[in-house]
Amino acid sequence: GENVEQHPSTLSVQEGDSAVIKCTYSDSASNYFPWYKQELGKGPQLIIDIRSNVGEKKDQRIAVTLNKTAKHFSLHITETQPEDSAVYFCAAAFENNDMRFGAGTRLTVKP
Amino acid sequence: EAGVAQSPRYKIIEKRQSVAFWCNPISGHATLYWYQQILGQGPKLLIQFQNNGVVDDSQLPKDRFSAERLKGVDSTLKIQPAKLEDSAVYLCASSPGQGEAVGELFFGEGSRLTVL
Repeated sequence: GENVEQHPSTLSVQEGDSAVIKCTYSDSASNYFPWYKQELGKGPQLIIDIRSNVGEKKDQRIAVTLNKTAKHFSLHITETQPEDSAVYFCAAAFENNDMRFGAGTRLTVKP
Repeated sequence: EAGVAQSPRYKIIEKRQSVAFWCNPISGHATLYWYQQILGQGPKLLIQFQNNGVVDDSQLPKDRFSAERLKGVDSTLKIQPAKLEDSAVYLCASSPGQGEAVGELFFGEGSRLTVL
């Protein structure tokens, strides 16, 4: 089955700096790669996703890049703000089945 | 639009006792998922339903865990008997997911289980 590895496990940045979180996946058949943000006591919430026919996608301060050959994808957050502090999870899935999550990255943005 | 509802939010039991969690997905969502999230880890899929049929339960410990989704709407997840390692947050998620490519999962706030 799919195996997703995520790095780093913790990340601390100054407000206004950029943050980058990286994930690798094992199953070349995976074609959907979402990123979820989880705040304390809440369920994960989708912030951006990318499909395998696209190399990059951007939504305001958030961007995701995908390298299918190398089987890795990354989340980029620019101009970080304190409210970006949370745990971020990457995931990989094929069609509508068995979405596998990474172990998470705890991002802290210091004011 | 109402989100995914889960109950109870918190449950503390002793090992070997049983517990049940309930989930009501977003109205009209065909696909329902139960995930187990152990502290410090990512969510792990336990079971996926499409309508009232099971799509994937390969990671469900069937000797102690069971789940059902009668009438293709709400769902219950049961653990009997519970073990210490079952301490986790149990997340329910739903997606429109019928005849469509995989997309956003909408998660509930989770049910936190502590087994003593």
